[in-house]
Amino acid sequence: DAGVIQSPRHEVTEMGQEVTLRCKPISGHNSLFWYRQTMMRGLELLIYFNNNVPIDDSGMPEDRFSAKMPNASFSTLKIQPSEPRDSAVYFCASNRGYNSPLHFGNGTRLTVT
Amino acid sequence: GENVEQHPSTLSVQEGDSAVIKCTYSDSASNYFPWYKQELGKRPQLIIDIRSNVGEKKDQRIAVTLNKTAKHFSLHITETQPEDSAVYFCAAPYNNNDMRFGAGTRLTVKP
Repeated sequence: DAGVIQSPRHEVTEMGQEVTLRCKPISGHNSLFWYRQTMMRGLELLIYFNNNVPIDDSGMPEDRFSAKMPNASFSTLKIQPSEPRDSAVYFCASNRGYNSPLHFGNGTRLTVT
Repeated sequence: GENVEQHPSTLSVQEGDSAVIKCTYSDSASNYFPWYKQELGKRPQLIIDIRSNVGEKKDQRIAVTLNKTAKHFSLHITETQPEDSAVYFCAAPYNNNDMRFGAGTRLTVKP
């Protein structure tokens, strides 16, 4: 099993540009999570999906952030327009559902200048 | 939402000593409690987890204890080694599968 796969590993962009982060969960996992990690705020849950349906997006900072899961093997997190304060490591994670371990991808380090 | 409090934020121990990290949670319906270790520049990785039908679980030098009445759980690392140095996170689910994390504990094991 390849684990949770995220791309790109690093993204550097200028403020105002659109950023798209991608995630492929582990096959057979029916829940997918997007987290943002910063020194100041730690690991924040942005949104999670169950069976491709968004269940809780209360952590999405503002309308500039959107996430989709068009099928069981792919999800995107989009920031449009990006701002310097969006700079962080974004992790995608998946699990088999309630009471099961979360498996994290390697993360995308986003820098917005 | 779920509030997971984690203490201490930093912990420094001598090699061979024990380390204890504590977490409290707010959702009384939570019944799964994992611990993750994150090394610098890497992803969080599960090291041990416990479900609410047991009070303690051990895996070699690592143990987790759970007190559901008080809504707290703890990570215990015995005979610490320099390679145990990392940031450790506790987590608890809120409202079914919504996994929330504590703020993390930076553990330093001095040789």
